[in-house]
Amino acid sequence: DIQMTQSPSSLSASVGDRVTFTCRASQSIRNYLNWYQYKPGKAPKLLIYSASSLQSGVPSRFSGSGSGTDFTLTISSLQPEDFATYYCQQSYSAPYTFGQGTNLEIK
Amino acid sequence: QVQLQESGPGLVKPSETLSLTCTVSSDSISSYYWSWIRQPPGKRLEWIGYIHYSGSTDYNPSLKSRVTISVDTSKNQFSLRLSSVTAADTAVYYCARGRTISIFDPPLFDYWGQGTLVTVSS
Repeated sequence: DIQMTQSPSSLSASVGDRVTFTCRASQSIRNYLNWYQYKPGKAPKLLIYSASSLQSGVPSRFSGSGSGTDFTLTISSLQPEDFATYYCQQSYSAPYTFGQGTNLEIK
Repeated sequence: QVQLQESGPGLVKPSETLSLTCTVSSDSISSYYWSWIRQPPGKRLEWIGYIHYSGSTDYNPSLKSRVTISVDTSKNQFSLRLSSVTAADTAVYYCARGRTISIFDPPLFDYWGQGTLVTVSS
């Protein structure tokens, strides 16, 4: 199975900050990398697919980059509704695996 | 807006079969892939498997011997059965829609349900 590792595990930031999350795959997954946002009690939300494509309806302050084994998710200017947990997931090969998540907290 | 809603028992006894149903609204189940994903307490999300509307399936090898995913197009629902459960199967179970960028690509999960907690305990 392909192992996905996210860093950091948690991050404290303020409204208006620029934040970056990292996801690393144990082998090359080309650009088959997706990012999700999770808030407790709600359905996980797809933000970015294919490493850098913005899902329809997602604000443009979210962006993704990377290929091969190293990927990043950036939020350019944090809004109050962005405080959540973020997961990466590879869709390169089954079983499709997820990172352990990065919890974004308000500073 | 596509909506998915999981339903089923919240408590299952060890060695029995866990059964969940996902009802899909505002979309036809006769398209796309339909998947189950779970998250045990304190652990990461785990893909269980999917069914394509054509009927083909793919399962996580770690669960394959115990999992069956089926679809009922007349009710716009798909279902999960996980047999011989143990405490390790306690988790929040999510259903999700899978779509592909091209016919050659595996699915990515673009819409999810809110999840349902299933506890395995006697």
